[in-house]
Amino acid sequence: EAGVVQSPRYKIIEKKQPVAFWCNPISGHNTLYWYLQNLGQGPELLIRYENEEAVDDSQLPKDRFSAERLKGVDSTLKIQPAELGDSAVYLCASSPTSGRWNEQFFGPGTRLTVL
Amino acid sequence: DAKTTQPPSMDCAEGRAANLPCNHSTISGNEYVYWYRQIHSQGPQYIIHGLKNNETNEMASLIITEDRKSSTLILPHATLRDTAVYYCIVHTGNQFYFGTGTSLTVIP
Repeated sequence: EAGVVQSPRYKIIEKKQPVAFWCNPISGHNTLYWYLQNLGQGPELLIRYENEEAVDDSQLPKDRFSAERLKGVDSTLKIQPAELGDSAVYLCASSPTSGRWNEQFFGPGTRLTVL
Repeated sequence: DAKTTQPPSMDCAEGRAANLPCNHSTISGNEYVYWYRQIHSQGPQYIIHGLKNNETNEMASLIITEDRKSSTLILPHATLRDTAVYYCIVHTGNQFYFGTGTSLTVIP
């Protein structure tokens, strides 16, 4: 099966600019996650979707970050405006609702550099 | 979710077994132990999980102590491609807390 697809793989922007990341989960996976990973650290959850509903966004900095999953399939994470401290890898993951329901499948991530 | 403690780094000779320890002394009765690994520049990859019993799959074995306060991930014959950061996670079904993991280096 095709894995989780993320684009772009790399993005370099200047501070105060907006940026968006796109994720296409594995077909049939209803749960979608966005994680932030700083250098040398493990991933930290930003937001979790069940279909099109954001069921856990408690760690999402809502002043500058937003996310959407309008049709319950692919998702976009946006930062506006970006700050220097937002430089990190942004990972998307998905999981099914049956079978291997408790296993998360990760994409390769988008590496963001804010100058 | 309970937190985990892992050594920051380990080395293992190629072909030998790699034994990665994890302490999770505050684990609750319904919390699973998961192991993921992350190879450089890739997303994390699921390895194995368990609740009480020891588990084995094609990638690794998971040994959980009887009191469930610690566990060991065993890679029976480590190869150079097993060089990665290994995360031990205690999970109840919502959020995974990854921590900083163990950086395993397999040495030729």
